[in-house]
Amino acid sequence: GQNIDQPTEMTATEGAIVQINCTYQTSGFNGLFWYQQHAGEAPTFLSYNVLDGLEEKGRFSSFLSRSKGYSYLLLKELQMKDSASYLCAPNSGYALNFGKGTSLLVTP
Amino acid sequence: DGGITQSPKYLFRKEGQNVTLSCEQNLNHDAMYWYRQDPGQGLRLIYYSQIVNDFQKGDIAEGYSVSREKKESFPLTVTSAQKNPTAFYLCASTRTRGANVLTFGAGSRLTVL
Repeated sequence: GQNIDQPTEMTATEGAIVQINCTYQTSGFNGLFWYQQHAGEAPTFLSYNVLDGLEEKGRFSSFLSRSKGYSYLLLKELQMKDSASYLCAPNSGYALNFGKGTSLLVTP
Repeated sequence: DGGITQSPKYLFRKEGQNVTLSCEQNLNHDAMYWYRQDPGQGLRLIYYSQIVNDFQKGDIAEGYSVSREKKESFPLTVTSAQKNPTAFYLCASTRTRGANVLTFGAGSRLTVL
């Protein structure tokens, strides 16, 4: 089975930096996905980490530590449109199971 | 443009009725998935299919049924046995078996009256 833990809610100010953490326990592990979901919409792919370390993609970066069962998503230069839920999903090889998601509110 | 089409977008159902949600993809993807999302919650896996004529139960399959007679189609039936069916249902697909980047449909919102 899987156990995925993320903070439920976070608030940050426009222009700031925010880090969303995810810890997981899985019976098999190939990598970890992050998805973004705006209210009432389908999730969209943000990143996929297979190896330990930080991967940067524009304003968004994602970090993975396989030995610690830990990942984080780093959002820089926050914009109002970044207000959304961020879903962590460890890849155990057959179908993705998602965490409950972190609802991020960006304020002016 | 290739993608996943879910219909209907909104659906109302009376208690005791079965309802079928449609999911069609023209991406030539092998694997398809159904997820359920409740307010403020993440996605929970209902069923998935990695090849035609084969499907597997996810974490919350009770009260649901699926079929995979064609590669491009993976309909979900919400039966009267599902005790709490009001939710947002998302269909997704991946190019190959196994978990890789999911392409999602726009979702179907089911409300039981």
